[in-house]
Amino acid sequence: DQQVKQNSPSLSVQEGRISILNCDYTNSMFDYFLWYKKYPAEGPTFLISISSIKDKNEDGRFTVFLNKSAKHLSLHIVPSQPGDSAVYFCAAIHDSGTYKYIFGTGTRLKVLA
Amino acid sequence: DAGVIQSPRHEVTEMGQEVTLRCKPISGHNSLFWYRQTMMRGLELLIYFNNNVPIDDSGMPEDRFSAKMPNASFSTLKIQPSEPRDSAVYFCASRFSGALYEQFFGPGTRLTVL
Repeated sequence: DQQVKQNSPSLSVQEGRISILNCDYTNSMFDYFLWYKKYPAEGPTFLISISSIKDKNEDGRFTVFLNKSAKHLSLHIVPSQPGDSAVYFCAAIHDSGTYKYIFGTGTRLKVLA
Repeated sequence: DAGVIQSPRHEVTEMGQEVTLRCKPISGHNSLFWYRQTMMRGLELLIYFNNNVPIDDSGMPEDRFSAKMPNASFSTLKIQPSEPRDSAVYFCASRFSGALYEQFFGPGTRLTVL
């Protein structure tokens, strides 16, 4: 039972355009969400996060949007750069005092020069 | 700061053999996590420790898997006996309790069981 889903395994975008990566979740008790980026042969690195009490968080070229009623979050990258080519994972946490991430299966983004 | 260190980076073994993966968390971090990445299931949490104590091992797939954290700077994940379906990339991550939720991942160990 996949509580966090990334339904698009891959995405290709032209350099300079917007990249939109999507993530859906089923557990309404999740109260914090994160995006991680992973390059080949490296571990995931933290990118951006959002609390469930917010609907938007922005950090430079990266913005995460949260729609709680739809149980949906998205990561926008504007403008996309070739160095953004990586696998992006969304993760959710239920803040019950544990720190367990539930990860999605990832979306491979390719930014074309 | 060297980050989270994992060894070996690659391990190839034969079915039935014992495999030990090692992790050194970032100094000062008091939570440690072991994950497994596969194509089908993505990143799955296997077990995590807080202050060297196992808190949740519900993700450990079978009794063949065991993990220890004898001190704050070292943890092992052992598979005995190993099977081909254990082939995956295993990541270790650590976290500082003063941070919100961010975890820092090591580079991973790619395990191949023949």
